Amino acid sequence: EVQLLESGGGLVQPGGSLRLSCAASGFMFSSFAMSWVRQAPGKGLEWVSTLRCCGGSTYYSDSVKGRFTISRDDSKNTVYLQMHGLRAEDTALYYCGKDYGDNWGQGTMVTVSS
Amino acid sequence: DVVMTQSPLSLPVTLGQPASISCRSSQSLVHSDGNTYLNWFQQRPGQSPRRLIYKVSNRDSGVPDRFSGSGSGTDFTLTISRVEAEDVGVYYCMQGTHWLFTFGPGTKVDIK
Repeated sequence: EVQLLESGGGLVQPGGSLRLSCAASGFMFSSFAMSWVRQAPGKGLEWVSTLRCCGGSTYYSDSVKGRFTISRDDSKNTVYLQMHGLRAEDTALYYCGKDYGDNWGQGTMVTVSS
Repeated sequence: DVVMTQSPLSLPVTLGQPASISCRSSQSLVHSDGNTYLNWFQQRPGQSPRRLIYKVSNRDSGVPDRFSGSGSGTDFTLTISRVEAEDVGVYYCMQGTHWLFTFGPGTKVDIK
């Protein structure tokens, strides 16, 4: 069974940083792309970033490009989202996804507020 | 970016009756590899999204066969043949053909 467990969310001031983690199990992690999407309170889904497997490319939405970095550690079956320069509009529930969305975790909440 | 639109945005349904959601993209979703990466997701209240349909019409494992997807190019439809109470939630179409992947605004399905 695929399991994805996000962590690292919390309350941070504008301009601050956070690193989200997503621990994966139940599948051959190193063989799959991993993605992050987010959902602001009461809003729809927004794709944030994808990291392909096997030394492949990274992709970012324009809203986070230059501020967020996606990375992975295949030895730990974990994908990360390093977030810098956080803004109020980054406040959302962040979901980690296997591949291009065939499974999602329960999410970790990021709140950017002074 | 490819803009995804859905209609209706709110869909009150009667238990046991069919329901359909339309999704349109601002450009063709046919990939250079010949596939069309149009997916449908269900998000029940308080839950994470769950993919129901991938590449237009393929049901994910465990998805009831009352859910079906159809369409091509820029026009797609999700159909629930007989709505059940557990189908209440928000349904999103999503294109995975052109980066940036984009979701539709969502269609809220509830029971009349």
